[in-house]
Amino acid sequence: QQQVRQSPQSLTVWEGETAILNCSYENSAFDYFPWYQQFPGEGPALLIAIRSVSDKKEDGRFTIFFNKREKKLSLHITDSQPGDSATYFCAASEGGNNKLTFGQGTVLSVIP
Amino acid sequence: AQTIHQWPVAEIKAVGSPLSLGCTIKGKSSPNLYWYWQATGGTLQQLFYSITVGQVESVVQLNLSASRPKDDQFILSTEKLLLSHSGFYLCAWSRGTQEVFFGKGTRLTVV
Repeated sequence: QQQVRQSPQSLTVWEGETAILNCSYENSAFDYFPWYQQFPGEGPALLIAIRSVSDKKEDGRFTIFFNKREKKLSLHITDSQPGDSATYFCAASEGGNNKLTFGQGTVLSVIP
Repeated sequence: AQTIHQWPVAEIKAVGSPLSLGCTIKGKSSPNLYWYWQATGGTLQQLFYSITVGQVESVVQLNLSASRPKDDQFILSTEKLLLSHSGFYLCAWSRGTQEVFFGKGTRLTVV
């Protein structure tokens, strides 16, 4: 049973558009949700994260919207740039637990 | 600033041969340390974590073992490689149990 699901698997947007990446989870005890950005051949880099007590987290062009009741969250990338082309992973963990569960990833392509 | 160094960068090994991958964290005392595995084009699967020297917890069984001989060092190993061990191995550290930071990874090809 996949605990963290992401959609779409792949997404293509034009430069300047807003990319929306979706994530949902099963475990109600999850309370921390980081998003990672990974370029080919590199390790994932922590992009932005939200805790379940918040419904929105913003950092520059990246915003997480969180809906605890529906167990869903989304990452919005505004003014998308070709350099944003990468795989984005949604992850989740339970407070005090040393286990981070990742989704399958969304491959984002930004066309100039 | 904390730095994480993984070695080697890449390995090509034969089925049945031994393996040892390493990871060193500098600039952070007593970090939580993790090993993850990623198949090509796949998600990240946590393998092991360690919160202190000499103590390692296994998350999944993949015929691999891990050790933490020093506060800043984490080793992943096996005595006999399988084809299914091929992939990208990532070491990571965290302060507490959240905000996990990854190294650059080791690409392993088993032939």
